[in-house]
Amino acid sequence: KAGVTQTPRYLIKTRGQQVTLSCSPISGHRSVSWYQQTPGQGLQFLFEYFSETQRNKGNFPGRFSGRQFSNSRSEMNVSTLELGDSALYLCASSPGRSGGVGTDTQYFGPGTRLTVL
Amino acid sequence: EDKVVQSPLSLVVHEGDTVTLNCSYEVTNFRSLLWYKQEKKAPTFLFMLTSSGIEKKSGRLSSILDKKELFSILNITATQTGDSAIYLCAVTYSGGSNYKLTFGKGTLLTVNP
Repeated sequence: KAGVTQTPRYLIKTRGQQVTLSCSPISGHRSVSWYQQTPGQGLQFLFEYFSETQRNKGNFPGRFSGRQFSNSRSEMNVSTLELGDSALYLCASSPGRSGGVGTDTQYFGPGTRLTVL
Repeated sequence: EDKVVQSPLSLVVHEGDTVTLNCSYEVTNFRSLLWYKQEKKAPTFLFMLTSSGIEKKSGRLSSILDKKELFSILNITATQTGDSAIYLCAVTYSGGSNYKLTFGKGTLLTVNP
């Protein structure tokens, strides 16, 4: 089985712009979760999508949004970029049968490194 | 505020040593505790623990959860240089119909030959 893929792998944007990141889960997985990783804050949960619906959400502002398509692929959008949004953005997929995020094994993608100038 | 604390923050050992990594948590409505290993990029799943006192084991790695004292430990025996990585602990908890997942800052393990 192919693993979780994320595109693009690297991205440079300027403050005020918006960005869309993509995540393709493992075939058959219906849950996709998104995370932000920075040296200062570590790994933080953004949100989880399951069957095209946002099922769980972390504590990020509304500038961070996402969606999931019928084939389980997910996109994450960040609007009005700030310098502090520079981070590694990881997505993870899981079967999602058990309920919420973290209740079954998650497989992470390689991440998208976003730099905001 | 809900939180997950890992200790130590970093650890340097020699090959063959045994290490114990700690993760304590303070959350309401605990659901599960997860351990991940992160080398270069993406974390890889190690264990998911939901019940107290039941050891999970995979090769030289093992982990156990104590829901009364609110902590978990990850043991690595006969360490190898390939065990060098950041080990992350995460806790899932529910608030109403919403699940949240909070990570600790991680333990950086360096295994020297």
